[in-house]
Amino acid sequence: QLQLQESGPGLVKPSETLSLTCTVSGGSISSSSYYWGWIRQPPGKGLEWIGSIYYSGSTYYNPSLKSRVTISVDTSKNQFSLKLSSVTAADTAVYYCARLGLTAAFDIWGQGTMVTVSS
Amino acid sequence: QSALTQPRSVSGSPGQSVTISCTGTSSDVGGYNYVSWYQQHPGKAPKLMIYDVSKRPSGVPDRFSGSKSGNTASLTISGLQAEDEADYYCCSYAGSHVVFGGGTKLTVL
Repeated sequence: QLQLQESGPGLVKPSETLSLTCTVSGGSISSSSYYWGWIRQPPGKGLEWIGSIYYSGSTYYNPSLKSRVTISVDTSKNQFSLKLSSVTAADTAVYYCARLGLTAAFDIWGQGTMVTVSS
Repeated sequence: QSALTQPRSVSGSPGQSVTISCTGTSSDVGGYNYVSWYQQHPGKAPKLMIYDVSKRPSGVPDRFSGSKSGNTASLTISGLQAEDEADYYCCSYAGSHVVFGGGTKLTVL
């Protein structure tokens, strides 16, 4: 069955760029029926959609984060990635990658990875 | 985009029914039949419970049901069980964007 796994540094310094990768296994990221997305959850708080990407490279970003976010896809590696620039302590969160259906339902999630922004 | 509005907490006794509301605007909940609901237990990833307002993914008990009226969507859990105690989040398509609710903590008394 399809699985998603996040990977990347667990600690990032303020003002630097947070970089995470989501590896998709058990299925193809090039499916025309799905988008792929990033969602984050600060400790003790709710879920926040960061952005989504289609296998063709079309991207959609949360307007509140758009100036700092870049999501890309590598179909040859069955991966998609997140870059969040100029991070602050407010970006400390568990970051999830997920598969997104065409009607905006996240049906498969990665286990999540905790990223702490601290010097 | 503002988060969808959910009650911070709801509670119910085993066997009872509870309903969690999710209020948005005509630009999100009211404008599309693309509302989904997620269950999240502590330390775990969210799990899709309802999509397209009222559809259940395979494996989700029929005790979980969804509906929508105007700008407000609702999740109803009937026959409450202890394992239903969790946080619940609604989510809506908002025209090339996605917006989540603030989350509701369900306590099974």
